[in-house]
Amino acid sequence: RKEVEQDPGPFNVPEGATVAFNCTYSNSASQSFFWYRQDCRKEPKLLMSVYSSGNEDGRFTAQLNRASQYISLLIRDSKLSDSATYLCVVNMNYGGSQGNLIFGKGTKLSVKP
Amino acid sequence: DGGITQSPKYLFRKEGQNVTLSCEQNLNHDAMYWYRQDPGQGLRLIYYSQIVNDFQKGDIAEGYSVSREKKESFPLTVTSAQKNPTAFYLCASSPGLNNEQFFGPGTRLTVL
Repeated sequence: RKEVEQDPGPFNVPEGATVAFNCTYSNSASQSFFWYRQDCRKEPKLLMSVYSSGNEDGRFTAQLNRASQYISLLIRDSKLSDSATYLCVVNMNYGGSQGNLIFGKGTKLSVKP
Repeated sequence: DGGITQSPKYLFRKEGQNVTLSCEQNLNHDAMYWYRQDPGQGLRLIYYSQIVNDFQKGDIAEGYSVSREKKESFPLTVTSAQKNPTAFYLCASSPGLNNEQFFGPGTRLTVL
């Protein structure tokens, strides 16, 4: 199983649609989870951290399911400006020692008028 | 403004030449990282440093070298031993290994 795995997409959705991305991770001891957004030919930017209780930031909702080892990102009322690649990021924990963040390859979202 | 800067934005070099990419941060972060991204691919970790005067190899360190003489600076040298150096290079920093990382704008290196 890959350390962090995402559906590469692309997800093509109309404006106003609700879209959800899932990401699975292999290390059951992982403690830190994030979603990043990367626009074409730009650097990744932190979108939101993912907390155990789930968290919401405007139209964006992130959820963590530790039992099944996946995190999700829900985008409501999609805007054209949401078009980007969304990266799932998880820290690795080996033998009780918190390790580096591992970046998924990303899911591409394209929002159409 | 606090942030992380990389220079130059675009860099062209002839095959066989070493080249050094700059990365500076004024966020007072302990940890710094170098990643490589190829078209349509994910980020791959080259080197990282948790503290001044210490650094560790990432997944693809061969053909690269780094130094961390100051907390603010983490330059990356792409040596002639790197077989396919043309790529988008991203530098990042974080308070610690487990924390969210903040990225610089990247350097696009093209080796002719």
